[in-house]
Amino acid sequence: QKEVEQDPGPLSVPEGAIVSLNCTYSNSAFQYFMWYRQYSRKGPELLMYTYSSGNKEDGRFTAQVDKSSKYISLFIRDSQPSDSATYLCAMSVIQGAQKLVFGQGTRLTINP
Amino acid sequence: EAGVVQSPRYKIIEKKQPVAFWCNPISGHNTLYWYLQNLGQGPELLIRYENEEAVDDSQLPKDRFSAERLKGVDSTLKIQPAELGDSAVYLCASSPGGSGANVLTFGAGSRLTVL
Repeated sequence: QKEVEQDPGPLSVPEGAIVSLNCTYSNSAFQYFMWYRQYSRKGPELLMYTYSSGNKEDGRFTAQVDKSSKYISLFIRDSQPSDSATYLCAMSVIQGAQKLVFGQGTRLTINP
Repeated sequence: EAGVVQSPRYKIIEKKQPVAFWCNPISGHNTLYWYLQNLGQGPELLIRYENEEAVDDSQLPKDRFSAERLKGVDSTLKIQPAELGDSAVYLCASSPGGSGANVLTFGAGSRLTVL
């Protein structure tokens, strides 16, 4: 079993829909949680960063961490075609990027 | 700012041939990473440098892979000889020290196809 599980999709939704992307994990020591967005033929770019449990909002994006359930989510409101990409969750026990563990990514398509 | 620069972007070789990838990190970023990304998978760390020192190479297949970061700036990742299973994207990333150490900036990657 992988430390971080992520549904690879693909996920296809109409423009304007609310998108929910999720990851589960098995290591209860993870404390730092990130979401990266990766466009086709590009490297991942950091989208959201959270520490421990709770919610964090940035524009149309909300990251949610539930450590008791070992479950993290990324919500995208008012989704746009430009949000079409692969979304990777990543997490770490320690602060810093030295030991990031990535999920396999969910491929998302927003249809105009 | 140019970001993390990698070359070549694409490389096609026959198995058993050598190949090398080059990375120029963001200026001032002391930490440099090489990741492997297989199709449909997340990145997996191969090696991490702090300045010119390889501080984590536990996941680097040392029988065929090697890396160097001379002068603590640019880095080269080499595979010799390449195998069919090495076909993947090789991502370079860098991060600053201090409070920004959490943030990885990735390059666009070098896509290797081994025939």
